[in-house]
Amino acid sequence: RKEVEQDPGPFNVPEGATVAFNCTYSNSASQSFFWYRQDCRKEPKLLMSVYSSGNEDGRFTAQLNRASQYISLLIRDSKLSDSATYLCVVNHDNAGNMLTFGGGTRLMVKP
Amino acid sequence: EPEVTQTPSHQVTQMGQEVILRCVPISNHLYFYWYRQILGQKVEFLVSFYNNEISEKSEIFDDQFSVERPDGSNFTLKIRSTKLEDSAMYFCASTKGRSYNEQFFGPGTRLTVL
Repeated sequence: RKEVEQDPGPFNVPEGATVAFNCTYSNSASQSFFWYRQDCRKEPKLLMSVYSSGNEDGRFTAQLNRASQYISLLIRDSKLSDSATYLCVVNHDNAGNMLTFGGGTRLMVKP
Repeated sequence: EPEVTQTPSHQVTQMGQEVILRCVPISNHLYFYWYRQILGQKVEFLVSFYNNEISEKSEIFDDQFSVERPDGSNFTLKIRSTKLEDSAMYFCASTKGRSYNEQFFGPGTRLTVL
């Protein structure tokens, strides 16, 4: 079973649409959760951390459900510049502090 | 804004050759990492490094790989005898502390093994 699983997409949406991505993780001992954004052939960049209480940053809302081992990202009022691959990332907080990445969900926002 | 830098941006090498990928982490960061991403695949952890020693390494990080912090600024990844399957984008990352801190990624080095 994949450690971090995401629907690869692509999600093709018009500008202004609301889109939601989901992610599941297999290691129940995972402690920290993130959404990163990756543009084509570029490095991953942190979009937001994900907390159990849910958190919002402008048009982006992230939710964590520890019981279901499920993480979500909601993007409201999509912009053309939101087109990218969104990576669900988990940190097991072990000695090495390694990040485990999902395969990413590709979003394409069309005019 | 401080950033992680990596050189070269693209390295082409022949199979069996040694390569050294270089990274300059953010100056006050203490934890350093290498990840790789084969084209079209997910980002994979290779190794983490703290206090001048390896903290953790993945199955990918076999005897052909080594890391070093030769001075106060550089962090290097050496591949002793490259294989075709080592072709990938290699990302260096750094963070100030453990756990909940953001890992900042460099722009990557694209390694092509012919």
